[in-house]
Amino acid sequence: QSALTQPASVSGSPGQSIAISCTGTSSDVGGYNFVSWYQQHPDKAPKLIIYDVTNRPSGVSNRFSGSKSGNTASLTISGLQAEDEADYYCSSYTTSSTWVFGGGTKLTVL
Amino acid sequence: QVHLVESGGGVAQPGRSLRLSCAASGFTFSNYGMHWVRQAPGKGLEWVAVTYYDGSQKYYADSVRGRFTISKDYSTNTLYLHMSSLRVDDTAVYYCGVWMTSREIDHWGQGTLVTVSS
Repeated sequence: QSALTQPASVSGSPGQSIAISCTGTSSDVGGYNFVSWYQQHPDKAPKLIIYDVTNRPSGVSNRFSGSKSGNTASLTISGLQAEDEADYYCSSYTTSSTWVFGGGTKLTVL
Repeated sequence: QVHLVESGGGVAQPGRSLRLSCAASGFTFSNYGMHWVRQAPGKGLEWVAVTYYDGSQKYYADSVRGRFTISKDYSTNTLYLHMSSLRVDDTAVYYCGVWMTSREIDHWGQGTLVTVSS
């Protein structure tokens, strides 16, 4: 159960777009379309922002989008806003019927 | 609306046991699977355990298998995590979450802090 690989940090200016990658294996990210993404502000609980690779829950801004190619999934945030500054985590269901998270990416809005 | 409230955290000595609770409301508890996820201080999220909606299937992370047990009490709409043989590296905020749609955690509680220290 190795953690999925995410960059430790990314940054962007307001209005720009950024992408966060999430790399796993054929036993998790590459094996299913069950990748989800979570946003976590400091000292807050995580919040679901993308599920099943591309789907947004009701109420989540359409500035958030997801995609996947092979063993790597990506989260794209367009039109960056100050409120987007947070930690982002990917997660995937695995062939062992367990779940695995990425190490997390700190997004800084410059 | 979905509401999850964890409790039971605190300080425990290595080797001892602790039971966490997660009181659920705002949805039909018996229809959905539930997770425990933890976060060590200053670290990332780590998935811990899941129970399917009816308790028929339960799965655990390698780091806790054989020491932790997840269960649901349908009479009180409460999720539990019984933790035994606690280790210093079990120190973390423990979150419960509900799985409602596909293979994601749709809603999360606010977390409860467990500190394992002698």
